[in-house]
This record gives sequence, structure tokens and C-alpha cells, in this order.
Amino acid sequence: GENVEQHPSTLSVQEGDSAVIKCTYSDSASNYFPWYKQELGKGPQLIIDIRSNVGEKKDQRIAVTLNKTAKHFSLHITETQPEDSAVYFCAAAYSGGGADGLTFGKGTHLIIQP
Amino acid sequence: DAGITQSPRHKVTETGTPVTLRCHQTENHRYMYWYRQDPGHGLRLIHYSYGVKDTDKGEVSDGYSVSRSKTEDFLLTLESATSSQTSVYFCAIRDPQFRNTQYFGPGTRLTVL
Repeated sequence: GENVEQHPSTLSVQEGDSAVIKCTYSDSASNYFPWYKQELGKGPQLIIDIRSNVGEKKDQRIAVTLNKTAKHFSLHITETQPEDSAVYFCAAAYSGGGADGLTFGKGTHLIIQP
Repeated sequence: DAGITQSPRHKVTETGTPVTLRCHQTENHRYMYWYRQDPGHGLRLIHYSYGVKDTDKGEVSDGYSVSRSKTEDFLLTLESATSSQTSVYFCAIRDPQFRNTQYFGPGTRLTVL
């Protein structure tokens, strides 16, 4: 089955700096890669996703890049703000028309220092 | 919150007792999922459903059963709860407009003493 590795487990950055979280996956058949943000006591919230026919996707201060050859994808947050502090999860799945459950990384605790 | 509610939101129970968690959706989505979240493990898939009475096992299904008698409700049952099932349980639905896009409910924190 799929295995997703996520690094780092904790990331502390100064407010206004950029943050990068990296994930690798093992199954070359995976073609869908979402990122979730989870605040304390809440469910994961989808913030951005990318499919394997695209190399990069941006949404305001957030971007995701995908390298299919190396089987890794990354989340980039620019101009970080205090409200970006949360736990971020990457995930991977094969979108083949079936139920397609997600395989998650173990999460990155992002801390924005004032 | 994608129209997903989970009940109860918190539960404390004792080892050996049966427990049922409920996930309710208002959007008539076909696919529903149960995940558990534990420190150091991220979220792991327990069971999923692809329609009424159609369910299948995920990565960590041992000790759990599910049922789906109506489109809007997906139940997760621990037949005889164990301390290793202490966790936060999340239900998710899949958006039919965008394959694989899953939206999560608020979670149920279960403690088994």
C-alpha cells in the first residue's frame, strides 16, 4: 500500500518569513495530493490540492509543487501570519473511480513566532 | 464543515463496553469514511462506504465494524472497546464534483478506561 513520509515534524518560523513542508510518497500510481490544516480541537480543513497532471498550484500565499519523478510534493506558505500556526498534513491517493481513501503523513506542527 | 456532524463529540467508556459513533451528512454524498487520529500516526483509514449497505475495510479495521442503512448516516461500532481504541475519530465525505476531495467532520474524542 501507499506510504507517505512528511518532514519536518515541527517547524518554527518568524512571522513574515516563508515555510516549506515536504512529503514523499511510495506508490507511483497515486495521482491526487491534498494538504490539510488542523487547528486545535477541530477537524482537518482542506487548504489546497494538486493532481498529477499539474506541477504547481497557487492560491494566494499558499502553493504546492509536485515532482512525480522523485515522488515528492511540498507545501509553501509565504509571508506567514500568526493565524498560520497549526498542524499541517499531506496526503496521497489514487483517483481511479473507486472509494479511494487517503493515506496521510504524520503531520507538521507549524509555529509562527511573532 | 461540509454539512457533516458527528455524535457524540466526547465520550468516556470502560474497557469491554460497546460504543457506537455516528456521522451524519446533509449533502447526500455517496462516499463516506471513518479515520482515527493518534499522536505520531496522522490519520488512518478505518472503514469506508460507497453507498447504502456498501462498505469496505481500511488500513486499521480490526476491532471496528460499520453500517450504513441510509445515505446520510454512517455508523462506526466498537463491539468491545479496548484502551488501544482511545483516539479522536473523524468522519469524512467525498465531494462528487471533484474526485478524492474529502471534507472532514469536527471529530469525536473517545477515551476507553
